Amino acid sequence: GDSVTQMEGPVTLSEEAFLTINCTYTATGYPSLFWYVQYPGEGLQLLLKATKADDKGSNKGFEATYRKETTSFHLEKGSVQVSDSAVYFCALRSPNAGNMLTFGGGTRLMVKP
Amino acid sequence: EAQVTQNPRYLITVTGKKLTVTCSQNMNHEYMSWYRQDPGLGLRQIYYSMNVEVTDKGDVPEGYKVSRKEKRNFPLILESPSPNQTSLYFCASGWQASGELFFGEGSRLTVL
Repeated sequence: GDSVTQMEGPVTLSEEAFLTINCTYTATGYPSLFWYVQYPGEGLQLLLKATKADDKGSNKGFEATYRKETTSFHLEKGSVQVSDSAVYFCALRSPNAGNMLTFGGGTRLMVKP
Repeated sequence: EAQVTQNPRYLITVTGKKLTVTCSQNMNHEYMSWYRQDPGLGLRQIYYSMNVEVTDKGDVPEGYKVSRKEKRNFPLILESPSPNQTSLYFCASGWQASGELFFGEGSRLTVL
């Protein structure tokens, strides 16, 4: 079945550091890929998405590129801020699966001033 | 304002006492779903609904019931809660085609 694997956290960075959170997936066909973010005390919200190979999703300075050859969708940001501290979830949706998302385990990011 | 509203946000209850967590969305979404979030286990789907009167089991449905009598509401029912159902619960909704889900703020349930 479909699965998503994320690097385990927590990831601790200093402000303005470069961020990479790794995400790889296993799926049949050509899934859509998503990153969701969960700020403390809140529900998840969509951060960015990509629907086909080589697409780059971007939002709020975060980027991720859909790499079919390596089945990856790594999240990157050039300069993190304290306000980026949150839990980040990678997810996929298989074709014809409607809204059924398969989530990774989440990666907690802590950014220190 | 577009939103998914869950109630209660926090609840402490005892084993065996039936409870319902309500979920309501105002975006006319066909799809609604319940997840539980546990440390080290990420998000796991409990039940989902593709439309009114259409529900199906997710990955961890045991001990839970749902109903979808109206498009906007999707309550989660714990008929006889047990301590292993202590968790953080999220309701989510979305349009069928987009794949994007909108989440509620979560309901933290403790079963003693």
